[in-house]
Amino acid sequence: GAVVSQHPSRVICKSGTSVKIECRSLDFQATTMFWYRQFPKQSLMLMATSNEGSKATYEQGVEKDKFLINHASLTLSTLTVTSAHPEDSSFYICSASVDRRNQPQHFGDGTRLSIL
Amino acid sequence: AQTVTQSQPEMSVQEAETVTLSCTYDTSESDYYLFWYKQPPSRQMILVIRQEAYKQQNATENRFSVNFQKAAKSFSLKISDSQLGDAAMYFCAYTVGGNTPLVFGKGTRLSVIA
Repeated sequence: GAVVSQHPSRVICKSGTSVKIECRSLDFQATTMFWYRQFPKQSLMLMATSNEGSKATYEQGVEKDKFLINHASLTLSTLTVTSAHPEDSSFYICSASVDRRNQPQHFGDGTRLSIL
Repeated sequence: AQTVTQSQPEMSVQEAETVTLSCTYDTSESDYYLFWYKQPPSRQMILVIRQEAYKQQNATENRFSVNFQKAAKSFSLKISDSQLGDAAMYFCAYTVGGNTPLVFGKGTRLSVIA
């Protein structure tokens, strides 16, 4: 089956640090990757849609300068949380899809980010 | 905009019994896809079952089945012979497919009582 690898799984760092999260499709080419954020006991909220070779599309209320997304290849998208602060602490999860209507998205295992 | 509503924040079921989780959605599309995802404490998103809107037959995966009512925009999940390992958050989700994102409901936390 299709596998999406997300790394790191857990990050603890000081306020002001920038953190990069990688999302890789291991055995398929992902034309589109999605980044979601999940607060404790809440649902997944879409942050942005990332298409290979083009700028990401951010959802309303998501700061594009705070959450930098790069999708440089068909197998890799990165999310960089710049100058992270405690309120950025959350669970971030990516998913990847191929450009075929009947194919489901495949999720990474998520990254738990804690900013001290 | 498409919305997905899960009206049951929490449900519980006795082991070996059957439980049904509710989901309704709103869309103006005629062709779309619906999913149920399971999220255990590890927070992995595990695909439980999916339904293609153009298919009238309800999807089934072992102990999991759905009741898809397109006209009513309803998509409930039935778990038969519940097991302790079924305890998790369950999210209903919608997409028109391909390179469009999933829209999630708020989730239902399922507890299984031994």
